[in-house]
Amino acid sequence: EPEVTQTPSHQVTQMGQEVILRCVPISNHLYFYWYRQILGQKVEFLVSFYNNEISEKSEIFDDQFSVERPDGSNFTLKIRSTKLEDSAMYFCASTPLPPGNSYNEQFFGPGTRLTVL
Amino acid sequence: AQSVAQPEDQVNVAEGNPLTVKCTYSVSGNPYLFWYVQYPNRGLQFLLKYITGDNLVKGSYGFEAEFNKSQTSFHLKKPSALVSDSALYFCAATLRGSARQLTFGSGTQLTVLP
Repeated sequence: EPEVTQTPSHQVTQMGQEVILRCVPISNHLYFYWYRQILGQKVEFLVSFYNNEISEKSEIFDDQFSVERPDGSNFTLKIRSTKLEDSAMYFCASTPLPPGNSYNEQFFGPGTRLTVL
Repeated sequence: AQSVAQPEDQVNVAEGNPLTVKCTYSVSGNPYLFWYVQYPNRGLQFLLKYITGDNLVKGSYGFEAEFNKSQTSFHLKKPSALVSDSALYFCAATLRGSARQLTFGSGTQLTVLP
């Protein structure tokens, strides 16, 4: 069964450093997402991406964040200058473009645990 | 603003007994509703969804959920719990239309005792 993959599984970085989190969505999916989960808190939406541009973004997704689909398979989240409060589990998700009015569930990757020291 | 509430942080149930994990939502309009499960060190796995139609939806691993519009609830149920069902369960909602972002509840840790 196809699945979303994410690398690395755990990233440790120093405050102020740039990090890039990588995701490979399911191959025929067209909508991509990033969510984050701070330890002990809710899973929060960051950004959605379709047709090579951001569809929606939350207030969390400020100028320090960017997303990119550099090739036909990868979907990346970049944090330019990490802060302590960026420490969280980051989940990538994807979904196929639904026909008509149907709605497909989002398929999540296993997550990348980011620790900012 | 839409929100999803899971009023119980922890639910304990004996193996073989029925289980219920509660979820209520506050969404203007008609939402799509989902349940996801998270096992340790794993991503979120889809269990079931309510889009339209029958209020009782059936999903993976014998789980089902009942959509109740008047009570704005979408409780997850299983007639007979297994120890392997022990995990963290998340309810989520999204609005119909172009908005596709999921709004999650805070999660409920289900422990099934042997």
